[in-house]
Amino acid sequence: QQPVQSPQAVILREGEDAVINCSSSKALYSVHWYRQKHGEAPVFLMILLKGGEQKGHDKISASFNEKKQQSSLYLTASQLSYSGTYFCGTGGTSYGKLTFGQGTILTVHP
Amino acid sequence: KAGVTQTPRYLIKTRGQQVTLSCSPISGHRSVSWYQQTPGQGLQFLFEYFSETQRNKGNFPGRFSGRQFSNSRSEMNVSTLELGDSALYLCASNPGLADTGELFFGEGSRLTVL
Repeated sequence: QQPVQSPQAVILREGEDAVINCSSSKALYSVHWYRQKHGEAPVFLMILLKGGEQKGHDKISASFNEKKQQSSLYLTASQLSYSGTYFCGTGGTSYGKLTFGQGTILTVHP
Repeated sequence: KAGVTQTPRYLIKTRGQQVTLSCSPISGHRSVSWYQQTPGQGLQFLFEYFSETQRNKGNFPGRFSGRQFSNSRSEMNVSTLELGDSALYLCASNPGLADTGELFFGEGSRLTVL
């Protein structure tokens, strides 16, 4: 079953923060976050594993709440380069097979 | 290191025809996955190959098939094309074993079915 992302879209000014949520009705083994810019391939941001720690990547970090079957992506002090569509993907032991959410469109304005 | 290469990048077909798409993974990567991306359905998993064996398959009709060669290159085929098959087909590779979980996507093959 496809995870549900919220919000569907968010508009920010440079320097503002945002949170993107990803919820699943199934127990999660791993959560993967990707960003796709218009006309480009999706690019990996981070993976969170069941029982693992919160991950960080520059000013982008994420958490994984196994009990709630949720993950959240935190973007702090957003930059223009953060604009794009963010996807969460849920996976099992084989990372090649992911079930992606519908995506969250993030737009950062100057 | 070269990235994932997909060919052709763009193609136009008519209903009923068939199409073959090709994917060359990053050197050393043994796993190749295919995804279909459409505005309505988003990113949907098609299949995953590892060392020439299909490891996982998504919920697509039998018209969609794939294979992987001994050099890890992969092809996917769609037969009897329908209008709804118009999409961006993305290929992704990863090492396949003890990897970081990162999928490396190619830029995709954009298929238009008329």
